[in-house]
Amino acid sequence: EAAVTQSPRNKVAVTGGKVTLSCNQTNNHNNMYWYRQDTGHGLRLIHYSYGAGSTEKGDIPDGYKASRPSQENFSLILELATPSQTSVYFCASGDPVYEQYFGPGTRLTVL
Amino acid sequence: QQKVQQSPESLSVPEGGMASLNCTSSDRNFQYFWWYRQHSGEGPKALMSIFSDGDKKEGRFTAHLNKASLHVSLHIRDSQPSDSALYFCAASEPSSGSWQLIFGSGTQLTVMP
Repeated sequence: EAAVTQSPRNKVAVTGGKVTLSCNQTNNHNNMYWYRQDTGHGLRLIHYSYGAGSTEKGDIPDGYKASRPSQENFSLILELATPSQTSVYFCASGDPVYEQYFGPGTRLTVL
Repeated sequence: QQKVQQSPESLSVPEGGMASLNCTSSDRNFQYFWWYRQHSGEGPKALMSIFSDGDKKEGRFTAHLNKASLHVSLHIRDSQPSDSALYFCAASEPSSGSWQLIFGSGTQLTVMP
């Protein structure tokens, strides 16, 4: 089965600090995605990528950067973390027609 | 307004009962629809897809799509406590060149033993 892993699983950061969330997939999928999940909002797309070296803005990109250095790895970067970025973040690989495979999530708390 | 809206927000059914979840899209360009399920503490997992008008049945789960009314539903027959989870409807429009899935806000299903 397709596998997506995320690290760290839990993170506590301070306001103004830099946070990097990492994602690795062994599915050899071209497309990768970063979502955040908040109660009442479902899953909202932050950034996505079509392949190594590419990143695209999703619906809520403000305050986030993304990096796709290889087919397997996709990172989400918060340069200056704010309390409003406290959330659960999910990485996924795949595509909308066939299926997206999600990782287990990272719970981020910004104090 | 969200492009994919789900109802109800929460639903409780007795074990063995029928659960019905609804999803309405506001974008006629959406062509592909998915149901995803998320158990507590886990990532969402694809449950089933439906791309054509009509019904699609997989075991105890039946999805129904009516593109004219932009309505998708999921019916769970003989509901089990293990079906208790957050269910998301998702839609996409690959013809636009954008490989995005748009998710609804979810329906929390509780199956009572």
